[in-house]
Amino acid sequence: GAVVSQHPSWVICKSGTSVKIECRSLDFQATTMFWYRQFPKQSLMLMATSNEGSKATYEQGVEKDKFLINHASLTLSTLTVTSAHPEDSSFYICSARAHHNYGYTFGSGTRLTVV
Amino acid sequence: KNQVEQSPQSLIILEGKNCTLQCNYTVSPFSNLRWYKQDTGRGPVSLTIMTFSENTKSNGRYTATLDADTKQSSLHITASQLSDSASYICVVSAEKAAGNKLTFGGGTRVLVKP
Repeated sequence: GAVVSQHPSWVICKSGTSVKIECRSLDFQATTMFWYRQFPKQSLMLMATSNEGSKATYEQGVEKDKFLINHASLTLSTLTVTSAHPEDSSFYICSARAHHNYGYTFGSGTRLTVV
Repeated sequence: KNQVEQSPQSLIILEGKNCTLQCNYTVSPFSNLRWYKQDTGRGPVSLTIMTFSENTKSNGRYTATLDADTKQSSLHITASQLSDSASYICVVSAEKAAGNKLTFGGGTRVLVKP
């Protein structure tokens, strides 16, 4: 079955630093990848949609200069949280979809804590 | 506005018992409906996916139903196990013409007690 690997699973960083999260599709080519954040006891909130080789589409209210998304290949997308602040602490989850398949596979998530 | 409402928000059941979770949606144009299981601190894992023409689909002890006329779905867990403790999320996808947008329900948190 389709597998999406997300790293790191957790990270602690200091305020003002940047953190990069990777999302890889291991056994399929993901033409589209999605990034979500999830606060405790809440559902997933879509942050942005990225298509391989083009700029990401951000949801309303999501700062594109703060959450940099790169989807340079069909198997890798990265989310960089720049100049992180404590309010950016959250659970970030990626998902990937192959072109021919309407199924979505989620990564295991990254717990970001900014201190 | 596309919405997915799940009920109950949470429930506690005894190990071995059955339970049913509900999902009502207003997503249009409808493409498919998925149920995911999300363990604490993990990403969602797909349980079932159903299109307009499918009424029921099973995955082990999980059985999902879909009534596209009333726009309702349910997820039935049979003979619950402690490992079933998780959040269950109903996700509805719009058709490709509408960008295949996913609309997430708020989830139902299930706690199975011994």
